[in-house]
Amino acid sequence: DAEITQSPRHKITETGRQVTLACHQIWNHNNMFWYRQDLGHGLRLIHYSYGVQDTNKGEVSDGYSVSRSNTEDLPLTLESAASSQTSVYFCASSRQGTAGELFFGEGSRLTVL
Amino acid sequence: DAKTTQPNSMESNEEEPVHLPCNHSTISGTDYIHWYRQLPSQGPEYVIHGLTSNVNNRMASLAIAEDRKSSTLILHRATLRDAAVYYCILRVPGSARQLTFGSGTQLTVLP
Repeated sequence: DAEITQSPRHKITETGRQVTLACHQIWNHNNMFWYRQDLGHGLRLIHYSYGVQDTNKGEVSDGYSVSRSNTEDLPLTLESAASSQTSVYFCASSRQGTAGELFFGEGSRLTVL
Repeated sequence: DAKTTQPNSMESNEEEPVHLPCNHSTISGTDYIHWYRQLPSQGPEYVIHGLTSNVNNRMASLAIAEDRKSSTLILHRATLRDAAVYYCILRVPGSARQLTFGSGTQLTVLP
């Protein structure tokens, strides 16, 4: 199974601050994804990447950015955190060009005060 | 984009089979049917996926209707550890379409 780690697992920040959530996977999967999960909304796609230097917007991308400088990492940045971005964030990866399974991290709980 | 529809919640007794339904009436020919589950305070976990034929693995079975407009995840003997939210989604190789999960089905397993 893939191993995908997220850090920090818990973070509290203030409105307006920049926050970066890290995501690292060890299996060299080309596809990586960021989701947020809120009560009543299931999992919503924020950004995704199909490889190095490739990034794409998902359903709820406003206020977020990602960069893909290598295969293993896809950091998620909140340029100016807002209270509406308080959520649990999940990173996921999958192999290229298949309909294969998504492997998820354990999640990062972000609170914006 | 094709959507999936699942019941909000279901209950099962421990050690009995559980059939979790999913409707996807607008599925296209290249959509794979995926199932994931999410235990409390954990990230989603892959369960099974299929395209046209029924599939079995160590965790569950996936029964796909002949017209592919619905599918059923089968847990052959529910345990308390199977209590989770189960998500049915559709995936297309090389595409981010339909990668958003709905609210899923909350499965409660009664001892």
